[in-house]
Amino acid sequence: DTEVTQTPKHLVMGMTNKKSLKCEQHMGHRAMYWYKQKAKKPPELMFVYSYEKLSINESVPSRFSPECPNSSLLNLHLHALQPEDSALYLCASSQFYGVKTHYEQYFGPGTRLTVT
Amino acid sequence: AQRVTQPEKLLSVFKGAPVELKCNYSYSGSPELFWYVQYSRQRLQLLLRHISRESIKGFTADLNKGETSFHLKKPFAQEEDSAMYYCALAGGGNKLTFGTGTQLKVEL
Repeated sequence: DTEVTQTPKHLVMGMTNKKSLKCEQHMGHRAMYWYKQKAKKPPELMFVYSYEKLSINESVPSRFSPECPNSSLLNLHLHALQPEDSALYLCASSQFYGVKTHYEQYFGPGTRLTVT
Repeated sequence: AQRVTQPEKLLSVFKGAPVELKCNYSYSGSPELFWYVQYSRQRLQLLLRHISRESIKGFTADLNKGETSFHLKKPFAQEEDSAMYYCALAGGGNKLTFGTGTQLKVEL
């Protein structure tokens, strides 16, 4: 399996809801990423997990809570979101997280989130 | 700080015409440069990386350190090349900085 999968494809939630996004890969990759992509804008890095530990948090508001329960799975828990959080949320994985060496990132199809 | 600039939001060319998507970068060290492509309703995928010096789907890109550029070129555009193209820079390791993207539209 050489793909990154994401569920759900679409999610509509109210500002008081709690929901989760799920990302899965079975390529044996040890680094996983969450990106946020607004319409017609480039992806913006949110979080990086390396060996199931949070390595990078790009000053993301606490209403976004990532979790990496095992090496294949990455979740993004959402709570009390704002309408401006509506975006495409992309997951990616790479063999490792390189500090000096770049490892190719493989992207999932994304979850399109609408906050009402 | 690392920065990637793609000056054109939209580039429209006719089928069979040459294509050049511009990318300039700012980085004090030795960067790795990439081109990513996002076809309609498909996932973001890596097209080219400068260190591999490959031609993928007829596209090439040469890193010009003097001009700090990494322009993407193809001699003859095809309809299936229509997509959003992002130039990206890795200043060290896996942290990518993306440009704002260029939407390429190939017209018949």
